Amino acid sequence: DTEVTQTPKHLVMGMTNKKSLKCEQHMGHRAMYWYKQKAKKPPELMFVYSYEKLSINESVPSRFSPECPNSSLLNLHLHALQPEDSALYLCASSRLRGGNDGYTFGSGTRLTVV
Amino acid sequence: AQKVTQAQTEISVVEKEDVTLDCVYETRDTTYYLFWYKQPPSGELVFLIRRNSFDEQNEISGRYSWNFQKSTSSFNFTITASQVVDSAVYFCALSEISNSGYALNFGKGTSLLVTP
Repeated sequence: DTEVTQTPKHLVMGMTNKKSLKCEQHMGHRAMYWYKQKAKKPPELMFVYSYEKLSINESVPSRFSPECPNSSLLNLHLHALQPEDSALYLCASSRLRGGNDGYTFGSGTRLTVV
Repeated sequence: AQKVTQAQTEISVVEKEDVTLDCVYETRDTTYYLFWYKQPPSGELVFLIRRNSFDEQNEISGRYSWNFQKSTSSFNFTITASQVVDSAVYFCALSEISNSGYALNFGKGTSLLVTP
């Protein structure tokens, strides 16, 4: 298995909702990442997990809450989002933190906040 | 400050033409890594190549080739005999330890449109 699987592919949520994005990989990668990508912009790093521990938080608002329950799974819990949070959320993994042997990205979750 | 500059925002070519996508980077690290990714309309980022700062050999993979020149801090990407399926946004990215421990720092991307 050489994929990073993200679910759901599309999500529409209201500003008072609570939802979660899920990311799964079975490549034995020990680093996992969340990126946010607005339309016509490059991906921006949000969080880095290394060996299931949060190692980097790029000053992301607390309405985004990451969780890494095990080495294969990464969640992003969403609560009280704003319309400007609408974006493509990409998950990635790498063998080790740093990803210098390459990152594998999922196909993303397109989030719309209404 | 922009670490990775992709000066070409959009490029349009006719099928079978060759096209070069430019990437200029900035870093003070001696060890760093450069990447190219392809993002088709479906959204996933497809890994194309990784280069470390100590390996300046150019690389060819099928119709794709990369020219890494440390002297000009450039890592350009050429598609030979372009095809419609090459239409996508292409990102150049830099990975360095001084930036969030080797996290990827993307350029703004170049949107390539190949028409029949």
